[in-house]
Amino acid sequence: GQNIDQPTEMTATEGAIVQINCTYQTSGFNGLFWYQQHAGEAPTFLSYNVLDGLEEKGRFSSFLSRSKGYSYLLLKELQMKDSASYLCAVRRAGTYKYIFGTGTRLKVLA
Amino acid sequence: DVKVTQSSRYLVKRTGEKVFLECVQDMDHENMFWYRQDPGLGLRLIYFSYDVKMKEKGDIPEGYSVSREKKERFSLILESASTNQTSMYLCASSFKGARSYTFGSGTRLTVV
Repeated sequence: GQNIDQPTEMTATEGAIVQINCTYQTSGFNGLFWYQQHAGEAPTFLSYNVLDGLEEKGRFSSFLSRSKGYSYLLLKELQMKDSASYLCAVRRAGTYKYIFGTGTRLKVLA
Repeated sequence: DVKVTQSSRYLVKRTGEKVFLECVQDMDHENMFWYRQDPGLGLRLIYFSYDVKMKEKGDIPEGYSVSREKKERFSLILESASTNQTSMYLCASSFKGARSYTFGSGTRLTVV
């Protein structure tokens, strides 16, 4: 089967670090993606991992372990504007189609 | 600034109506996609297109059809709208070899 799991909601404090986990099961794998979606807006691309390891991009980092079917998104120095939903998605091998998780709603408190 | 534009932000339609949702991209992308987004279910793929006049079913195509007569435009058609099609509809596009999509802002459709 094909399935992606991520926590429904998380809360963190401004300036802190938060890790959003994502586990997946797919019949074929061709990359894992993280998108950010503010309420009422379009999802925007954050990161892409296809090989194991950590990809860093400013305050955001994403990690992938293909053998464990596991990824996380790490947000450092949290800001109020980081309050949003974070969508984990896996691209199926040989296609441009994604399977999306249900998203993690992150609330950043002052 | 590159854009994926969805013609309506909010729509209210009656059960049984034929509904057209329009999506236009100005990036010369080959691939275009229609998703619906529902609480607790995430984004689910309805249809996608690799090129003009080409279309393929996604995971939940029942009750929907699509049209791609021009490269920049991808239309989603609800043949006979039903209340269970009340949802947020998101269009996306990408180049063939791209790593990521560009999404439109979405159309929130309510069927009454």
